[in-house]
Amino acid sequence: GAGVSQSPSNKVTEKGKDVELRCDPISGHTALYWYRQSLGQGLEFLIYFQGNSAPDKSGLPSDRFSAERTGGSVSTLTIQRTQQEDSAVYLCASSLRWTGNTEAFFGQGTRLTVV
Amino acid sequence: AQSVAQPEDQVNVAEGNPLTVKCTYSVSGNPYLFWYVQYPNRGLQFLLKYITGDNLVKGSYGFEAEFNKSQTSFHLKKPSALVSDSALYFCAVRDGASSASKIIFGSGTRLSIRP
Repeated sequence: GAGVSQSPSNKVTEKGKDVELRCDPISGHTALYWYRQSLGQGLEFLIYFQGNSAPDKSGLPSDRFSAERTGGSVSTLTIQRTQQEDSAVYLCASSLRWTGNTEAFFGQGTRLTVV
Repeated sequence: AQSVAQPEDQVNVAEGNPLTVKCTYSVSGNPYLFWYVQYPNRGLQFLLKYITGDNLVKGSYGFEAEFNKSQTSFHLKKPSALVSDSALYFCAVRDGASSASKIIFGSGTRLSIRP
């Protein structure tokens, strides 16, 4: 597709369950980001994949959160043993290069609700 | 470490009047600066960016932003506001000192344009 695609668009899960969120970036984009946005608030940085280099994981809030990017394309964000405070919109973005002067393009997000 | 601040949670402007949404930043190297807009229940859309060159940058929907190095600011402006400009606006920064730095977002400013 032409844009960043995220699935599912909505996810309701029970506390304690694991969830996987998927991001399909724009074709050819070498950089991929995950952010979290809680109820109309700001964007909290989670993780940044930069080409073939080691990802910047400095924003992951706990060891229950992990992400991988297979083949330099699709990325999966996994949250283990979900908690109610994990409820948020998870946004994925990609940019053409991982150098500084390129903007990021965002997907529509996955709204996660932990009940 | 890089950071960005949006000092106003909300800005209210009458339609037809000029608007300004404020943003200040902190980086160790040269800044790469971005503005994004988020309409209700929509993803983030890129508006404009400053990389180098002219301090006044023009972007989508008639918006522009002025880079001021001495004041470390990148305020978003529009000469004549429209009701349809009502949305959540995010300023973002990337540190040019590192080729692999992530994009950090401000907390957002809600712009409300009254008819």
